[in-house]
Amino acid sequence: DTGVSQNPRHKITKRGQNVTFRCDPISEHNRLYWYRQTLGQGPEFLTYFQNEAQLEKSRLLSDRFSAERPKGSFSTLEIQRTEQGDSAMYLCASSHRDISGNTIYFGEGSWLTVV
Amino acid sequence: AQKVTQAQTEISVVEKEDVTLDCVYETRDTTYYLFWYKQPPSGELVFLIRRNSFDEQNEISGRYSWNFQKSTSSFNFTITASQVVDSAVYFCALSEPPISNFGNEKLTFGTGTRLTIIP
Repeated sequence: DTGVSQNPRHKITKRGQNVTFRCDPISEHNRLYWYRQTLGQGPEFLTYFQNEAQLEKSRLLSDRFSAERPKGSFSTLEIQRTEQGDSAMYLCASSHRDISGNTIYFGEGSWLTVV
Repeated sequence: AQKVTQAQTEISVVEKEDVTLDCVYETRDTTYYLFWYKQPPSGELVFLIRRNSFDEQNEISGRYSWNFQKSTSSFNFTITASQVVDSAVYFCALSEPPISNFGNEKLTFGTGTRLTIIP
């Protein structure tokens, strides 16, 4: 069994370029989340999927950000026209709600540096 | 609105000492979950514990223990006989129950406590 997998782990891009991150959740998990973490801060919620449906988006998710989960399995997070303020770690997480509750498991994150 | 406060930004202790990480939370809900995660230098957030707001029993798992005090809205984490491998940033987080079975149980994190264990 593998945990939540994210790639690439590190990405350096020039301002104005587009980047895409991929997340493969734990296989039986139907819930998938994206969070963003900047240095010295805790992760902040970006968006949430239940299967393939994107059910909630944070106001942190500007129009330049788009997330998909086309078949309810892996997910992608695309950032268009990157800005220096987008530099952060993007964390993907997944969970499966059962009778005991909903424990959210995180991946190792994808570090983005915009230069 | 939810809020989680981890007032200790950094803590350093000598190996084998006990250390307690503080967490204070704010929520209007009577039902909620509290979490602790460990973030080593690799970046992955490692799940440590989830506690239901109705369960105020303290929990012990090996060298780790958690003290949940609803009266003071605190959920503190103690590491006994600390080891160098415990060095990491530790986050406390809070989630409120979703409106429906499909609702989001998004986490609100504190700013973390960086724990350094000195050999």
